Amino acid sequence: SQQGEEDPQALSIQEGENATMNCSYKTSINNLQWYRQNSGRGLVHLILIRSNEREKHSGRLRVTLDTSKKSSSLLITASRAADTASYFCATRGTSYGKLTFGQGTILTVHP
Amino acid sequence: DTEVTQTPKHLVMGMTNKKSLKCEQHMGHRAMYWYKQKAKKPPELMFVYSYEKLSINESVPSRFSPECPNSSLLNLHLHALQPEDSALYLCASSLILVATNEKLFFGSGTQLSVL
Repeated sequence: SQQGEEDPQALSIQEGENATMNCSYKTSINNLQWYRQNSGRGLVHLILIRSNEREKHSGRLRVTLDTSKKSSSLLITASRAADTASYFCATRGTSYGKLTFGQGTILTVHP
Repeated sequence: DTEVTQTPKHLVMGMTNKKSLKCEQHMGHRAMYWYKQKAKKPPELMFVYSYEKLSINESVPSRFSPECPNSSLLNLHLHALQPEDSALYLCASSLILVATNEKLFFGSGTQLSVL
């Protein structure tokens, strides 16, 4: 079954604004990770949150996890044009090591 | 060195050609992965090697043949591909395959076009 459905599919904001992306998943997880991908390039790991954590911060990034709702959100504060990229959540199940990616959110930050 | 290096960056091949994609990392990682990504879609797992042994094959057609010659290298041999196999092929590595906090390090990918 598909893990990691994200919304919105696309988000367009102005520099300095905050960007929020949401991810929902279907089965129990060990951890949830967020990755960024610039156009045509590889993915870069941003942040990992474990199933027993509720919130985590890293620089301008804030991730929340609600295991009861099987959902996570990624907040990027004070966005910059350089944040323009696709953002994917990825879940690792509890019984199988496979990391499964969500559909992704395309973020465009206008200068 | 925290890089995963993939070559070539671009590849155009005919349906009768044989080609190979290469991936290299020197981070001491013992798990290596091949993902396939179509435009505007998420990466899809193809193969996983753990300690140079194939651990996961996600029912990939036999025209894709992975190889892990040593702990630093991962190859993907291509033969008789179809135009629908055109995609970005991503290599990734992690310290080990199954752990509670393993993150993946990705290469920049090989953009493959099959004519």
